[in-house]
Order: sequence, then C-alpha cells, then structure tokens
Amino acid sequence: NAGVTQTPKFQVLKTGQSMTLQCAQDMNHEYMSWYRQDPGMGLRLIHYSVGAGITDQGEVPNGYNVSRSTTEDFPLRLLSAAPSQTSVYFCASKPGPPVTEAFFGQGTRLTVV
Amino acid sequence: AQTVTQSQPEMSVQEAETVTLSCTYDTSESDYYLFWYKQPPSRQMILVIRQEAYKQQNATENRFSVNFQKAAKSFSLKISDSQLGDAAMYFCAYRGSGNTGKLIFGQGTTLQVKP
Repeated sequence: NAGVTQTPKFQVLKTGQSMTLQCAQDMNHEYMSWYRQDPGMGLRLIHYSVGAGITDQGEVPNGYNVSRSTTEDFPLRLLSAAPSQTSVYFCASKPGPPVTEAFFGQGTRLTVV
Repeated sequence: AQTVTQSQPEMSVQEAETVTLSCTYDTSESDYYLFWYKQPPSRQMILVIRQEAYKQQNATENRFSVNFQKAAKSFSLKISDSQLGDAAMYFCAYRGSGNTGKLIFGQGTTLQVKP
C-alpha cells in the first residue's frame, strides 16, 4: 500500500498562475481533507470530503477549489495563486469507524512569487 | 466553534529527562477525540497518541503518555526518557464526534532535545 500520495512535493508558482495539487489514497478511505500549515498557526482545514461527490468548506477555503469524483482522488486547485497561499499543504484521509485517526501525505511546499 | 491552544511555542529537554507539552481546547461536545502528532524535519505527520473523551483512563504508548482532564479541557503530553529522535514539532489536535475526519490543530510546540 502506498498510503496517501501527494504530488508534487515542491512547487514554485508566479502570482496569478493556477495549478492543481494532487492527492491519492489507495486505502478506500471515505474521508479526505486538505490542510495548510503556516508558521505559528498549526494546520488549518481548507476543504474536506465525506465521500465521492461530496465536498464542503473548511476554515480557510477562499482561493481553493476541490472535487471528489472518485473515492481515491481529492485534488486541490488554486485558481489564481497569490503570495498569501505560500504554505505547506497536507492531504489526509480517514476510514470510517472504528478507526479514529487520520493518515497524512508527505506534504507539498508551495511558494508563490 | 472548537479551538485548540498550545501556549508553548518552544520547549527544550535534556536527553533522558522528562518533558510535558501543554494543550487546552474548547468545545461544547461531550464526545470527541484528541490526538498528539509529531512532525520531524521530514515534514511527515506521525500519530503519537490518541485519547477518546469517553475513556477516563489516560492513554499511554511506550514513553509517551497523556494527562487528560476533561472538565478542565486539558490534554498534556508527557515524554519520558527523552531521546534525540524526539526532537520535532508536536501538534495537539481535536476531532469531534461527527466522524467527518475534520481535525482542529493547535499552533504547535517545537521540542529541542539536548544531548
């Protein structure tokens, strides 16, 4: 099992460019989430999904879109990159009960110049 | 809304000594889950320990244990016999009973282990 796979691991974008951060899990988990990590702020939830075809906003959704067309994939799209989106992005997945913990990808370090 | 607060941005401990990292949270729910995650320089998020709110007994995993005080909404992590490999950022996290997979994180505590 590969677990949760995020690509790319590093990315530099110019202001105004768009891109998609990929997240795939091979564990048939129902729940998937995207977080961003900024110094002194911990990880904050951007968007999440409780199953294929279902997504919802988290704490900091502005500037990001998601879709969940399959159980395995949960891509995060930056529509028009801004320097404020410079961050480390984590994707996580979680199975249904009784498992309580989430499983994280390796993260993507994104720099917007 | 639920919040998680880690008031210690940085901590240090001597190798083989014991250190306690603090975490407080705020919620109106009675059923929830609490976690401590470790993030080494590799950036990987590693689950250290979990606590179910309905369990009165404090969770323990080898050298790691928690002091869960539900009434005080406190969830501290104790690391015994600290090792150089324990040096990392530690995050406290909360998940409600809704089982959506959503986690709320604290700000993190950077732990330095001195040889």
